[in-house]
Amino acid sequence: GQQVMQIPQYQHVQEGEDFTTYCNSSTTLSNIQWYKQRPGGHPVFLIQLVKSGEVKKQKRLTFQFGEAKKNSSLHITATQTTDVGTYFCAGGDDKIIFGKGTRLHILP
Amino acid sequence: DAGVIQSPRHEVTEMGQEVTLRCKPISGHDYLFWYRQTMMRGLELLIYFNNNVPIDDSGMPEDRFSAKMPNASFSTLKIQPSEPRDSAVYFCASSPGPNHYTDTQYFGPGTRLTVL
Repeated sequence: GQQVMQIPQYQHVQEGEDFTTYCNSSTTLSNIQWYKQRPGGHPVFLIQLVKSGEVKKQKRLTFQFGEAKKNSSLHITATQTTDVGTYFCAGGDDKIIFGKGTRLHILP
Repeated sequence: DAGVIQSPRHEVTEMGQEVTLRCKPISGHDYLFWYRQTMMRGLELLIYFNNNVPIDDSGMPEDRFSAKMPNASFSTLKIQPSEPRDSAVYFCASSPGPNHYTDTQYFGPGTRLTVL
């Protein structure tokens, strides 16, 4: 069946360093969504990408959707302590499947 | 809007007991989802409803789990009998429709279930 894989599972970065998480699907996706879950919190929607090759930015966050619509990435520039949490991608063709997430730790 | 409301926020029970988790979706949303989150398995979709009708329950782990949505503003997830391996955080989410796989999902705060 359809699978959505995310790497890495964990990432430790020094505050101020960049961070990237990658999402890969076994099938073509109609769209990709990204969510953030703070420690002890619930997933919160960040953004949705729909078009092949689409790139969207939210301040220090850059989201990309691959040309083949089977992969995506989230890049954070100059991480801050407020970026701590788990970042999930979610995509699907006829139903949404969440990746297992990348847990970001920021070292002060 | 108050967002998705879940109760209880925490539940501690003993193995073999019945557990009922409750969810009130955002008013006007057509879709309701139940998820389970554990460290090992991540965020798993258990079941989802469209206009109160269960559409896909393929994620429900076994017959001990059941979910209902008697009306547009209320859903329950029941575990009977509960087992220690059911310990997890259970999230309810809703989305407006019409396409659940392209909609933003709005998650509730979750219920942390511990089965002793």
